[in-house]
Amino acid sequence: DTGVSQDPRHKITKRGQNVTFRCDPISEHNRLYWYRQTLGQGPEFLTYFQNEAQLEKSRLLSDRFSAERPKGSFSTLEIQRTEQGDSAMYLCASSPTRDRATNEKLFFGSGTQLSVL
Amino acid sequence: AQTVTQSQPEMSVQEAETVTLSCTYDTSESNYYLFWYKQPPSRQMILVIRQEAYKQQNATENRFSVNFQKAAKSFSLKISDSQLGDTAMYFCAFMKPLNQGAQKLVFGQGTRLTINP
Repeated sequence: DTGVSQDPRHKITKRGQNVTFRCDPISEHNRLYWYRQTLGQGPEFLTYFQNEAQLEKSRLLSDRFSAERPKGSFSTLEIQRTEQGDSAMYLCASSPTRDRATNEKLFFGSGTQLSVL
Repeated sequence: AQTVTQSQPEMSVQEAETVTLSCTYDTSESNYYLFWYKQPPSRQMILVIRQEAYKQQNATENRFSVNFQKAAKSFSLKISDSQLGDTAMYFCAFMKPLNQGAQKLVFGQGTRLTINP
């Protein structure tokens, strides 16, 4: 079990640039989630995928944000025209769908820390 | 809307002592799940313990136990015989259903726990 992998671990960018993060979930996990965590706060839900379908998006996900999971495996989160307010840690989590009890446990990655200068 | 409140931003205890972290939540649902997650400096969110609201018995996991008071909407975490490795941010979370059986976590603001030698 290699766990949920996120890349890069850190990203520093200038305001106005585009950035893309990658998440590799645990193999065979159908569900994939993105969360955002700002300094001193708990994570906030951004979006959710069931296989390749994006089934839920938070109002936090403005039109500058786009997420994909093209083959139902890894996912990418892109932020266009970054703003200083986008500085945060972006966490990815995955879960299997074998049964309801297992569904309730999310496995988190170590996150990508974004700093927008 | 569901909200989760952790009123203790920071706590500090000596190694081997017992510590209790507080959490209150607000929901109109009758059946739900509550969680405590630990986030060490490595940043990965690690599930500590979970509680199903319809179960009267408080959950326990080794040195970790909860005091779940459904009527009061309170969900505190007790750590017994605390260890240096327990030093981390602790987040209380409420699980809210999404489409097609998926769920999202609503997190509190977190409590920074330091275990001193």
